[in-house]
Amino acid sequence: QVQLVESGGGVVQPGRSLRLSCAASGFTFRTYGMHWVRQAPGKGLEWVAVILYDGTDKYYTDSVKGRFTISRDNSKNTVYLQMSSLRADDTAVYYCAKDQYTYAQVDDAFDIWGQGTMVTVSS
Amino acid sequence: DIQMTQSPASLSASVGDRVTITCRASQSVFTYLNWYQQKPGRAPNLLIYAASSLQSGVPSRFSGSGSGTDFTLTISGLQPEDFASYYCQQTHTIPVTFGGGTKVEIK
Repeated sequence: QVQLVESGGGVVQPGRSLRLSCAASGFTFRTYGMHWVRQAPGKGLEWVAVILYDGTDKYYTDSVKGRFTISRDNSKNTVYLQMSSLRADDTAVYYCAKDQYTYAQVDDAFDIWGQGTMVTVSS
Repeated sequence: DIQMTQSPASLSASVGDRVTITCRASQSVFTYLNWYQQKPGRAPNLLIYAASSLQSGVPSRFSGSGSGTDFTLTISGLQPEDFASYYCQQTHTIPVTFGGGTKVEIK
């Protein structure tokens, strides 16, 4: 079945780096844009970044620009989020999610989500 | 950035009630408006896309309407499994933005 599985979360000190992975299965990964969305404890959803199906375009929310990098390896059916210069306010559950339709241009709904991976930034 | 404002932030309702949640965008998002349900400790689940289209597998008691800046999610006949948080989302403009959420609780 269609599935996304995140990994790589954990506890990290402020200023350090962490890389999240999201492994996809059950669909033709290379034809879908992929997103990262986060949710701080007890808070709402915040979109973080998107990478288009072929990796040519990437977009970020302002608060992570210059610190986070989204990438994908279509040969491994995996999307990544490299996070650096981490701050306490980056503490959240990080979800990956896929676009609803193939070859979308960032205007689709997110029809499949992973279970999330927790990132805690604390000294 | 497009601001998405949901109301109410929370509501109490009984099984069988008709529930309406509203979402207002700070500028037109046309019909690039989606609704998600989230239960505690779980990932969000897509309910409605393109303002009024029901996602496959979602019960027909859920419906969405609106365009431009004003949108509504309606649950016709609340069921026990519907007690959850609901979020609207606009995908018209980057950055994608979500509403603050509406928590539906048992009365």
